[in-house]
Amino acid sequence: DAKTTQPPSMDCAEGRAANLPCNHSTISGNEYVYWYRQIHSQGPQYIIHGLKNNETNEMASLIITEDRKSSTLILPHATLRDTAVYYCIVRVRGGKLIFGQGTELSVKP
Amino acid sequence: GAVVSQHPSWVICKSGTSVKIECRSLDFQATTMFWYRQFPKQSLMLMATSNEGSKATYEQGVEKDKFLINHASLTLSTLTVTSAHPEDSSFYICSASGTSGSMSQETQYFGPGTRLLVL
Repeated sequence: DAKTTQPPSMDCAEGRAANLPCNHSTISGNEYVYWYRQIHSQGPQYIIHGLKNNETNEMASLIITEDRKSSTLILPHATLRDTAVYYCIVRVRGGKLIFGQGTELSVKP
Repeated sequence: GAVVSQHPSWVICKSGTSVKIECRSLDFQATTMFWYRQFPKQSLMLMATSNEGSKATYEQGVEKDKFLINHASLTLSTLTVTSAHPEDSSFYICSASGTSGSMSQETQYFGPGTRLLVL
């Protein structure tokens, strides 16, 4: 599975949009981009995933560049409860989830 | 939908004893379950993958005789840490993927984790 690169930490003001970047320049054509988050001392929570097209659900939006080498997770109106470590993972269908170090997002009042 | 539970949420045991952790999919049939371990300040590490009715596939470096995995039904997998030692103290997390209505079959949903402390 392709490797991803994420900034180790980011801050965001409460109520503002949080934009979390992820680079996956070696992604293959059959690999999906998955986003999970882990709030302290809990199991990871699935957020969203996509292949080529942008995706949106009740939690977030996923913007994938046309060349698929990078993506951005957008939390439109961050709240304090969104403070967590966010993991960007690429995998083939049915493949393993290999977790990197993720981005530690701190939402501040 | 897609709820995964774990029991117990935390356990303290003496060195040399065995500990069993249960992972259940509450509202879907989990054809595949995964077990992860997470040490403080580190990311999750995949330990093994199990398919219902089959033997688990362990990741390199994970001792299969020490970490016994059973996936006897479509809603339950167990991880038994045998002869636990202090270095086995960690946060153990399971995940499951399967089928239920509109749920994506390929997405893994995680349990809340079990914190193990071996004295």
